[in-house]
Amino acid sequence: GGIITQTPKFLIGQEGQKLTLKCQQNFNHDTMYWYRQDSGKGLRLIYYSITENDLQKGDLSEGYDASREKKSSFSLTVTSAQKNEMAVFLCASSLRLGGNNYAEQFFGPGTRLTVL
Amino acid sequence: QQKVQQSPESLTVSEGAMASLNCTFSDGTSNNFRWYRQHSAKGLEVLVSIFSDGEKEEGRFTAHLNRANLHVSLHIREPQPSDSAVYLCAVSRGDSNYQLIWGSGTKLIIKP
Repeated sequence: GGIITQTPKFLIGQEGQKLTLKCQQNFNHDTMYWYRQDSGKGLRLIYYSITENDLQKGDLSEGYDASREKKSSFSLTVTSAQKNEMAVFLCASSLRLGGNNYAEQFFGPGTRLTVL
Repeated sequence: QQKVQQSPESLTVSEGAMASLNCTFSDGTSNNFRWYRQHSAKGLEVLVSIFSDGEKEEGRFTAHLNRANLHVSLHIREPQPSDSAVYLCAVSRGDSNYQLIWGSGTKLIIKP
């Protein structure tokens, strides 16, 4: 087994501020993901990283940067926080896809963002 | 682009009665389909993953996939109050198995 740790749990920012969220996993997974979840909505993929030196944009990448510092860690930066923005950011990890084209994603507890 | 819709938005079922949740998708080229549960305190956990038409059972949870009808369902046998949560359907993009498209969820309440 393993665990995904996200820091901070709660993040309060000001409009226009650059904010960084961090994720660590000890599954030894190759692939890591960042999702955004708005209240009452499904998850939307922001960035993912298939291996340590890879970075791929998801459907919601505009307004965000990501960095895969090492195999176990993946950071997300909100480049300019939007006023009244509220969302939960979820980090996940998985094995790299194999021949069956499937790899289960395991999720962290989330970082809850509020922008004043 | 893949679109995923879940129904109903909210469902209340008595303890012990079968609970059935639905998910429709727009792109039939996807090849993996997952059901997750999201408890407010426990985060997201995968319940069932299914890859081919038919059914797949994991304990009390059974998924049914009908790709021709662009439909995947989840049935929960003998639900307990502790099964009360939001249930999310996720479907892989036809052109990328790394990318999942998610429904907005069904809020399930199990009445004792």
